[in-house]
Amino acid sequence: EAQVTQNPRYLITVTGKKLTVTCSQNMNHEYMSWYRQDPGLGLRQIYYSMNVEVTDKGDVPEGYKVSRKEKRNFPLILESPSPNQTSLYFCASSLRTGELYGYTFGSGTRLTVV
Amino acid sequence: GEDVEQSLFLSVREGDSSVINCTYTDSSSTYLYWYKQEPGAGLQLLTYIFSNMDMKQDQRLTVLLNKKDKHLSLRIADTQTGDSAIYFCAESKSSASKIIFGSGTRLSIRP
Repeated sequence: EAQVTQNPRYLITVTGKKLTVTCSQNMNHEYMSWYRQDPGLGLRQIYYSMNVEVTDKGDVPEGYKVSRKEKRNFPLILESPSPNQTSLYFCASSLRTGELYGYTFGSGTRLTVV
Repeated sequence: GEDVEQSLFLSVREGDSSVINCTYTDSSSTYLYWYKQEPGAGLQLLTYIFSNMDMKQDQRLTVLLNKKDKHLSLRIADTQTGDSAIYFCAESKSSASKIIFGSGTRLSIRP
């Protein structure tokens, strides 16, 4: 089944403890992206990647890192999480940049930082 | 700048039509989308429309685009309880590296 898989689905962590949220897609998509969803703010893009080893900042990249060493994986790294990073995170992928009508979303990761 | 706006809540009676409205600011948008988010789930693409179209119909869904007013609407005919969800309006350009989302409209269904 074609899908975007995120792990974990739920995570509670403490301030300053490094964490990684994984994202993997099995559709050979070139483009991958991370969004965060907050009440009343919709979805805001954190980082995106147009292909292997090509990543760029979105609208709210502060406090996050990403890497794209392989086409299928696009992990989101929080080196030193803070409470304002408590949010619902979504990974998404698309066959190519500019063909975003084929966007496929993961099921989300709900992160709480205490 | 780029912005997509929609009202936060809509309540309709089961069996009635739901109309969810959206306005956007970027006149160079190429694609306009409606996504559906059910509780505990990711976003699912419902439909999209190219900016050179006025209307698109797909079963119970009708999308209307008024490019002059930068207004997009989603009409759901014969609304059912399974239509309860958050609906996101979104836009992008053909060369874009992202989709711009609105804040989402929570649709609730009354018996």
